[in-house]
Amino acid sequence: SQQGEEDPQALSIQEGENATMNCSYKTSINNLQWYRQNSGRGLVHLILIRSNEREKHSGRLRVTLDTSKKSSSLLITASRAADTASYFCATDAIGGRRALTFGSGTRLQVQP
Amino acid sequence: EPEVTQTPSHQVTQMGQEVILRCVPISNHLYFYWYRQILGQKVEFLVSFYNNEISEKSEIFDDQFSVERPDGSNFTLKIRSTKLEDSAMYFCASSEETSREQFFGPGTRLTVL
Repeated sequence: SQQGEEDPQALSIQEGENATMNCSYKTSINNLQWYRQNSGRGLVHLILIRSNEREKHSGRLRVTLDTSKKSSSLLITASRAADTASYFCATDAIGGRRALTFGSGTRLQVQP
Repeated sequence: EPEVTQTPSHQVTQMGQEVILRCVPISNHLYFYWYRQILGQKVEFLVSFYNNEISEKSEIFDDQFSVERPDGSNFTLKIRSTKLEDSAMYFCASSEETSREQFFGPGTRLTVL
């Protein structure tokens, strides 16, 4: 897999259920960020987790990071129809570089 | 809440023409970026800009691309001679000097005919 690969590629759930998306990466990272993109629109920043952090919360979002497995997960609890979007992880490498490497994304469909 | 803005939202141009995509980053941010997303593909990094110079660039950012901060608020991406394969959504982003969080604009959809 390539740097920043999410799985599943697509996820369909009912409103109120939890959605879990995973991201794997290959190189050592400084930070990992999650973004949301509604169809044909811009990228909305959701959360950043540093390489020395293991878990972070923001509202209904919970992100975990396992640097030994080079993976992260994004959990959205009590999903809403408005959460329907594509979700991407993006990493920046160790060192001074700020360029983000994006994954292919998970398309989440929340059925009302 | 402050946000990154981009103009135009959609640009149609003929192959070989020059285009300039414009961005207004968040006002207290000092790092600026351009990314692109070809339809159905991943978001790809093009270039970052700090202290009035390019700080990083990808292999995609060849001699046909250039960036400029012409004044205190705008950040532009110029494509000198557009090709069909330049058709994509172009995103501008910005971040604070001390933070790695990058905030993206809504994008400019470039269509090269």
